[in-house]
Amino acid sequence: GQNIDQPTEMTATEGAIVQINCTYQTSGFNGLFWYQQHAGEAPTFLSYNVLDGLEEKGRFSSFLSRSKGYSYLLLKELQMKDSASYLCAVRDSNYQLIWGAGTKLIIKP
Amino acid sequence: DVKVTQSSRYLVKRTGEKVFLECVQDMDHENMFWYRQDPGLGLRLIYFSYDVKMKEKGDIPEGYSVSREKKERFSLILESASTNQTSMYLCASSSGGASGANVLTFGAGSRLTVL
Repeated sequence: GQNIDQPTEMTATEGAIVQINCTYQTSGFNGLFWYQQHAGEAPTFLSYNVLDGLEEKGRFSSFLSRSKGYSYLLLKELQMKDSASYLCAVRDSNYQLIWGAGTKLIIKP
Repeated sequence: DVKVTQSSRYLVKRTGEKVFLECVQDMDHENMFWYRQDPGLGLRLIYFSYDVKMKEKGDIPEGYSVSREKKERFSLILESASTNQTSMYLCASSSGGASGANVLTFGAGSRLTVL
């Protein structure tokens, strides 16, 4: 079967760095997405990786290793507003998205 | 600002009632999707549509139907609501084509409680 694994919850301190991991086993691969979802709000797009390596976008970076079925989202200079759930999703060979259950990130002052 | 608008944020219905969840997007997107989101689970695809009057079953279509009479509107219908359909329902849209990122834009969600 197809599976996306990410930690259920993480805690970090304001100003610090946190890495949220995502491992996947899917039927084919056509890209990996990270979305951010604040409580009670819509998920919003953060990043897209289709080739191996690091994609940097401001304080957020996303890394992909296709051979290892692994990605991480790196958040630097954490701010209280970064408290949210972070959703990892992989597009399979049928171009359908398979979603992880999300990682709830709690930022403490 | 581009938007996906879901008509109801919160609904409470009784078992057996017919429920309509409406979704409208103003981005002229070809693709529209209905997901449900439950604690501890990833988003699960109910139905999707790549064009007007076109619909495809997702992973969990049982107990649901959809309608897409106009490009901008995608409706989810629960013919006879059951308690196990209590959930958060998310509508999303994206531009057409299989290549590229085809990023999803989500609505704010409709939280349905079936008593």
